[in-house]
Amino acid sequence: DAGVIQSPRHEVTEMGQEVTLRCKPISGHDYLFWYRQTMMRGLELLIYFNNNVPIDDSGMPEDRFSAKMPNASFSTLKIQPSEPRDSAVYFCASSLPGPQARLFFGSGTQLSVL
Amino acid sequence: AQTVTQSQPEMSVQEAETVTLSCTYDTSENNYYLFWYKQPPSRQMILVIRQEAYKQQNATENRFSVNFQKAAKSFSLKISDSQLGDTAMYFCAFDRTGNQFYFGTGTSLTVIP
Repeated sequence: DAGVIQSPRHEVTEMGQEVTLRCKPISGHDYLFWYRQTMMRGLELLIYFNNNVPIDDSGMPEDRFSAKMPNASFSTLKIQPSEPRDSAVYFCASSLPGPQARLFFGSGTQLSVL
Repeated sequence: AQTVTQSQPEMSVQEAETVTLSCTYDTSENNYYLFWYKQPPSRQMILVIRQEAYKQQNATENRFSVNFQKAAKSFSLKISDSQLGDTAMYFCAFDRTGNQFYFGTGTSLTVIP
């Protein structure tokens, strides 16, 4: 398996623009997670899905953030409109459940909002 | 709520020496999983080692081993024969159910040649 695949690797945009981050989890993994990493706040869980269904989105900062998982092999995280404080590295990770649980991370998207 | 504490923001070690990174956690659960992840400058998050709380034996992976003290809620990582490639941020993580991973704030380790 190629692992968790994220795109783009880098994204530079201007304040107010829409940003869409993409993720392909490892095939067969039931859980998909979106994390945000900043120096100030470390790794924050934004949202996670189980079998394509959003389970906990309490970490989503505000209504400008939304995430979807239309099928088992694809998820998006959208920010609209983007703000400079959204600048961070966004990670997608997937996992099997229960005793086999361990996070496999994608390579992350470095987002810079100017 | 579960919390994970890494009290050493930065550490350094001489190449070929041994270093131990500390991690404590707080939970009322009896069954859970603990992890150490490594994040080198490439920013890729890499699983180093995993421990199941119901197993008393400490996990080992080559030069990496843990000291798991369940009663003390302590989960330290020992790196033996440190190599330059071990330079990275190291994150301790706790998982209760297989879908709720909590991370510490990380320890930045520098291996000095």
